Amino acid sequence: EVQLVESGGGLVQPGGSLRLSCAASGFTFSAYEMNWVRQAPGKGLEWLSYISGGGDTIYYAGSVKGRFTVSRDNAKNSLYLQINSLRDEDTAVYYCARVRTVDQIFDYWGQGTQVTVSS
Amino acid sequence: DIQMTQSPSTLSASVGDRVTITCRASQTISNRLAWYQQKPGKAPNLLIYKASSLESGVPSRFSGSGSGTEFSLTISSLQPDDFATYYCQQYSTLWTFGQGTKVEIK
Repeated sequence: EVQLVESGGGLVQPGGSLRLSCAASGFTFSAYEMNWVRQAPGKGLEWLSYISGGGDTIYYAGSVKGRFTVSRDNAKNSLYLQINSLRDEDTAVYYCARVRTVDQIFDYWGQGTQVTVSS
Repeated sequence: DIQMTQSPSTLSASVGDRVTITCRASQTISNRLAWYQQKPGKAPNLLIYKASSLESGVPSRFSGSGSGTEFSLTISSLQPDDFATYYCQQYSTLWTFGQGTKVEIK
């Protein structure tokens, strides 16, 4: 069974940093591209970043480029999102999502991890 | 960047109603359009891909249509489990979601 479990969220002060993790199981992690998506309270879904299976191709949404860094450790079946210079507007639930190879759809999602930026 | 615009933002309907949600892309995306359902506190769930292909396990009352820039999601007979928020997503160039349509009980 495919499982994605995010962790690392929490309460952080503005200007702080956080590293989110996504632990994958039930599939060959290195064979799949992965993404991060977030959802601010009461708002819609926002795509944040993409990383290829080998980690050599990375894309970011313009809104987070320069502050967010995506990475992966295929030996540990884990995906990461480093978030720096946190702002109030980064408060959201952060999801990792697997990309279905055949058509680039997000076929499996984690349950999300809450990040709250507040002083 | 490709922008996705959904309408309406909120839709009030009754069980048994036929409902349609529309999604417009700011530029042509062929048929690279997906629809997701999201319930409160849960991750999104894939319903439709390639504009009109039903994901395995999704009830046949859900259908999608469109190509180019205009797309729609139709629920033929609304069921109690269908009250949720629906998002379109383009995957032609990276990924972009629409702002969502909340289907609420009338």
